[in-house]
Amino acid sequence: QVQLVQSGAEVTKPGASVKVSCKASGYTFTNYYIHWVRQAPGQGLEWMGIIDPSGGSTTYAQKFQGRVTMTRDTSTSTVYMELSSLRSEDTAVYYCARGATSRFDPWGQGTLVTVSS
Amino acid sequence: IQLTQSPSFLSASVADRVTITCRASQGISSYLAWYQQKPGKAPKLLIYSASTLQSGVPSRFSGSGSGTEFTLTISSLQPEDFATYYCQQLNTYPLTFGGGTKVEIK
Repeated sequence: QVQLVQSGAEVTKPGASVKVSCKASGYTFTNYYIHWVRQAPGQGLEWMGIIDPSGGSTTYAQKFQGRVTMTRDTSTSTVYMELSSLRSEDTAVYYCARGATSRFDPWGQGTLVTVSS
Repeated sequence: IQLTQSPSFLSASVADRVTITCRASQGISSYLAWYQQKPGKAPKLLIYSASTLQSGVPSRFSGSGSGTEFTLTISSLQPEDFATYYCQQLNTYPLTFGGGTKVEIK
C-alpha cells in the first residue's frame, strides 16, 4: 500500500538545524510531488513547500525561504526537509504528504521537532 | 489566499446533520480539499476537488461549492466523526489551510 514513513522525534537547540526524512513506498516515487506541512502545538496546519522527486525542483513558502531546504534521494525513495536557524516557534509536528491532483494523500505519521535550550 | 472556516467550534450529538463552511478570499475554482484530524494523528483526506469523495470514506460525508464558498456536510454524525476538520486550497501557491473546525460531543 502507498505509505510515507518519517524519521523519529528530534530535540534540538535554538540556532541549530534539523533534518527530517520521509521514505515513500508502494508507488513510483518520481511520479508524485511531496509536500511538507507543519503544525505547532494546539494550532492549525501550515504549508512549508513542495519538492518534485523527479527533477528535484522545489517551491518554498515565503515564510521559510532561506531557512528550509528540501532534497530527495531517488535511490532510496526518500525526501528530506532541513530547517535551519531554529527558534522556539519552530517547535511543531512536521508532516510530509504526497501531492496528487487537488489533494494530499497519504500523509506521513508526523515528526515532532522540539526546539529548546 | 485566506480560507475562513466557520464555525471554529461545533458541539453536536450523534445522528445530527453537521455543516461546516469554508470561504476563500478569492476564487479558487474547485481546488478545495477537506481533511479530518484526530488528536495525535496525521490529517486524513475526506473530499477533494470540492465534491469528490475519497475512496474508503463513508458516504455520510459530502462536499459542495465552487469559487469562494464551500461546505462540508456530515449527514448523520457518528461517534468516530468527533475530530477537527480543515479545508485546504490547492489553486495558488502558497497553499493554505483554513483554521479548523473542532466537532465535539454535546
